[in-house]
Amino acid sequence: QKEVEQDPGPLSVPEGAIVSLNCTYSNSAFQYFMWYRQYSRKGPELLMYTYSSGNKEDGRFTAQVDKSSKYISLFIRDSQPSDSATYLCVPDTDQAGTALIFGKGTTLSVSS
Amino acid sequence: EPEVTQTPSHQVTQMGQEVILRCVPISNHLYFYWYRQILGQKVEFLVSFYNNEISEKSEIFDDQFSVERPDGSNFTLKIRSTKLEDSAMYFCASSVGGGGGEKLFFGSGTQLSVL
Repeated sequence: QKEVEQDPGPLSVPEGAIVSLNCTYSNSAFQYFMWYRQYSRKGPELLMYTYSSGNKEDGRFTAQVDKSSKYISLFIRDSQPSDSATYLCVPDTDQAGTALIFGKGTTLSVSS
Repeated sequence: EPEVTQTPSHQVTQMGQEVILRCVPISNHLYFYWYRQILGQKVEFLVSFYNNEISEKSEIFDDQFSVERPDGSNFTLKIRSTKLEDSAMYFCASSVGGGGGEKLFFGSGTQLSVL
């Protein structure tokens, strides 16, 4: 069983829509929950960073972590064509010396 | 804003040739990484480097690969004898620390094409 499951999409929405990207995980040791965004042919960039359960908001983006159900969400309000990218859910433990492992992510396309 | 820079942006080489991919990590970062991404696939971890030695490597990082920090600013990935399957985008990343939950900062990548 994979440690992290994320629907690969593609997910296509019209401009202005609310987008919900979701991820489930199995490792109870995960304490840090990150969302990276990767534009085509570019390196991943850290978008949201959350420690433990709860919500975190940054502009149009909200990250939500529910450790009890091992469920992670990223909401994008008022989506823009510039949000078209692949979104990577990357949880991590607090153990030093282990590299971040990326899945394939969810590809989002926002049409104008 | 400080960023990770990679050169060249594109590299074309013949199978069997050696290539060196170069990276300048963010100046106050201590941990350095190489990842690669084959077209249409996920970003894969290759190696992490701290204090002038490899701290972790994946199965992909075999004897054909090596990393080096030749001076105080550059971090290089060498592929000794390239194969067709080494064609990929190679990303360098750096982080302040190496603990859990570290924020990685990635460069824009070097597209390696092996012919």
